[in-house]
Amino acid sequence: IAGITQAPTSQILAAGRRMTLRCTQDMRHNAMYWYRQDLGLGLRLIHYSNTAGTTGKGEVPDGYSVSRANTDDFPLTLASAVPSQTSVYFCASSVVYPGDTQYFGPGTRLTVL
Amino acid sequence: GESVGLHLPTLSVQEGDNSIINCAYSNSASDYFIWYKQESGKGPQFIIDIRSNMDKRQGQRVTVLLNKTVKHLSLQIAATQPGDSAVYFCAENIGDGGSQGNLIFGKGTKLSVKP
Repeated sequence: IAGITQAPTSQILAAGRRMTLRCTQDMRHNAMYWYRQDLGLGLRLIHYSNTAGTTGKGEVPDGYSVSRANTDDFPLTLASAVPSQTSVYFCASSVVYPGDTQYFGPGTRLTVL
Repeated sequence: GESVGLHLPTLSVQEGDNSIINCAYSNSASDYFIWYKQESGKGPQFIIDIRSNMDKRQGQRVTVLLNKTVKHLSLQIAATQPGDSAVYFCAENIGDGGSQGNLIFGKGTKLSVKP
């Protein structure tokens, strides 16, 4: 069982380009989440999905979109990247929503120039 | 808004000693708490959790204590090892099923273990 996988591991992106970060889990968890982690700011929730077919906005959703077509996949898209989106992005999942332990992927380090 | 905070941003301990990492929370409605460990370049890893109807929970070499009176959470690591060196986060669930993903994370405490 792989748990949660994320791709790519790292990426350097020119400002204005479109980018999709991929996240896949094989634990059949109902809920999935996207966070960004910045030095001094901790983990901040971007978007979440409590079950396939539904999504919701987190603390910092602007400039990001998500979709949840099935249980396993939860891609995060930056429609037009800006330098302030330079960060480490973590995907997470939990069995149920809310009030359950979240398990994290290895992260994607994104640099927007 | 309410947030989870940490008393000590850095902690340095001698190998073999016990470590105590503290966390203060301010939301009295929080009903579930989790400790995560994050090693450099990796994602947060679940360590142990505790629900608000408990005061103490033990795992392998780790113990979490919850004091609801003073809204304080601590993680105790017994016989600290070099492999315990990492950043430790506490997280709380505010329990209202709200739209913010329900987990609020602290900023983290960096634990350094001296050989």
